[in-house]
Amino acid sequence: DVKVTQSSRYLVKRTGEKVFLECVQDMDHENMFWYRQDPGLGLRLIYFSYDVKMKEKGDIPEGYSVSREKKERFSLILESASTNQTSMYLCASSVTKIGTNTEAFFGQGTRLTVV
Amino acid sequence: DQQVKQNSPSLSVQEGRISILNCDYTNSMFDYFLWYKKYPAEGPTFLISISSIKDKNEDGRFTVFLNKSAKHLSLHIVPSQPGDSAVYFCAAPPGTYKYIFGTGTRLKVLA
Repeated sequence: DVKVTQSSRYLVKRTGEKVFLECVQDMDHENMFWYRQDPGLGLRLIYFSYDVKMKEKGDIPEGYSVSREKKERFSLILESASTNQTSMYLCASSVTKIGTNTEAFFGQGTRLTVV
Repeated sequence: DQQVKQNSPSLSVQEGRISILNCDYTNSMFDYFLWYKKYPAEGPTFLISISSIKDKNEDGRFTVFLNKSAKHLSLHIVPSQPGDSAVYFCAAPPGTYKYIFGTGTRLKVLA
């Protein structure tokens, strides 16, 4: 079974802190993603990576950065946490689609509260 | 603009009856669609997918229908069970790498 593991289930951070969210996958997937889920807004893509050291902005990258130094690990960084970044953060991974239906596999999520 | 839209934020259904969750999309070039199920405080889990060359895919109690002319897909759950109560997201891949998701529909199955 594919396993995507996020380092924390719950985090509480103070405004202005630098926050690191870590994600590890064990299936040698090329692609990794960070989404956030907010009520009424669904899952919105923050950043994704299709290879080591490669990253692409998603729909809402402002206030975030990412790092992918190893294939299995994808980190999301909140440079200076703000209260509007309070959310559920979801990491996912997938193989690169090559003409067949492939799905993304998600971690259990990190509920981040910024106070 | 590549979007998938779920216009019903919530749905309540009696146990044993059919649940129908709907999704509309704007890009006729999507080559397949996916449905995910999400329980509170957990990550989404993949449920079922459908290729754009098909109009129906069935897996047990779950069937997804695709109407390409209307740019519409629906997920049918028959019979609905209390354990199906969750948020359901439709999704599509706008290209090689990423996925875009709808806003979700919260299904409540009443015992």
